[in-house]
Amino acid sequence: NAGVTQTPKFRVLKTGQSMTLLCAQDMNHEYMYWYRQDPGMGLRLIHYSVGEGTTAKGEVPDGYNVSRLKKQNFLLGLESAAPSQTSVYFCASSAFFSGKGNEQFFGPGTRLTVL
Amino acid sequence: GEDVEQSLFLSVREGDSSVINCTYTDSSSTYLYWYKQEPGAGLQLLTYIFSNMDMKQDQRLTVLLNKKDKHLSLRIADTQTGDSAIYFCAESPNILTGGGNKLTFGTGTQLKVEL
Repeated sequence: NAGVTQTPKFRVLKTGQSMTLLCAQDMNHEYMYWYRQDPGMGLRLIHYSVGEGTTAKGEVPDGYNVSRLKKQNFLLGLESAAPSQTSVYFCASSAFFSGKGNEQFFGPGTRLTVL
Repeated sequence: GEDVEQSLFLSVREGDSSVINCTYTDSSSTYLYWYKQEPGAGLQLLTYIFSNMDMKQDQRLTVLLNKKDKHLSLRIADTQTGDSAIYFCAESPNILTGGGNKLTFGTGTQLKVEL
């Protein structure tokens, strides 16, 4: 049981390049999330999904797209990377109901640098 | 919208108690959480409290909730060097109102434990 995994762990892009971050969970969770973490700003929600085939915007969606074609996977895309997207990206998942409120399980993060 | 605030840094000596504070604005919060982030890792749920409780104790951890002042605190007794991490306060609304179990995170408090 790997929990939540993220690929890749590190990436350096040039401005204007595109990339996709992959998140996978093996807990059969309905909900999945993408956050970015920046110093002094905590975690901010980019996009989330309440089930296979659904996506919704979070707090900071601009410049990102997502897809959830399979229940266990949630992809985050950057079509044209900008230096402002330099950040650490975390994926998380949660069950519809759990014994600990809305507990979310986090992946280890992807550190992205855009030059 | 919801807002969660924390101080950015706290330094304590090993063996002392640590108290990390958090204020939130959403009075409809049903659960409030403390997550821990160790260096280079994702967040892990440390403890949580349901909104109808005033206090929750779990081994060295004590959570106090003042709903009137919308204030949440985390006390770590006998703080150890292994407690050095970033601690995030988070809140979530009533899960029955929909929204995919979204959490709103604070900025995080960096706890440094000195020998």
